[in-house]
Amino acid sequence: DAGVIQSPRHEVTEMGQEVTLRCKLISGHNSLFWYRQTMMRGLELLIYFNNNVPIDDSGMPEDRFSAKMPNASFSTLKIQPSEPRDSAVYFCASSFDGQMTTEAFFGQGTRLTVV
Amino acid sequence: GDSVTQMEGPVTLSEEAFLTINCTYTATGYPSLFWYVQYPGEGLQLLLKATKADDKGSNKGFEATYRKETTSFHLEKGSVQVSDSAVYFCALRGNTPLVFGKGTRLSVIA
Repeated sequence: DAGVIQSPRHEVTEMGQEVTLRCKLISGHNSLFWYRQTMMRGLELLIYFNNNVPIDDSGMPEDRFSAKMPNASFSTLKIQPSEPRDSAVYFCASSFDGQMTTEAFFGQGTRLTVV
Repeated sequence: GDSVTQMEGPVTLSEEAFLTINCTYTATGYPSLFWYVQYPGEGLQLLLKATKADDKGSNKGFEATYRKETTSFHLEKGSVQVSDSAVYFCALRGNTPLVFGKGTRLSVIA
């Protein structure tokens, strides 16, 4: 398996523009997590899906952020409009959760720079 | 809520030195515990895990034992190498998604 695949790896955009980050889960996994990493705040959970349903979105900063799972293997994280303070590395991770929860596997991340 | 506290870095060691990175947790129930490692410019990789009390996770010479009585999961390695330089994250997973510590940056010098 190729692992969790994120695209793009790097994104530079101007303030006010819409940004869409993409994530392909590992085949067979049923949980999906979006994290944001910055020097100041470390790793923050933005949103968690299980079986395509958002379970916990309390970490989503504000209405400018939205996440979807149009199918079981794919997710998008959209920021509209983007602001310089959104600059960070965004990670997607997936896991298989059955009777026991398991470790999450991370993608390589998308480094977002908003200028 | 669930939380993880790990020692502040950075930690700088000479090659072949002994490594300990402390990690303690607060959680309801019986979470699984993990150590992840992040090399520069990369995502997080699972280093080792333990799913119940007294379990010892090990990988690549690293070890950590799940101590319920002290709510700890300290990471150890007997002899570090330059290639171990990275950021190490302690994490737990109970009824919530993964909760991470703030990370500890390790630099190993030759």
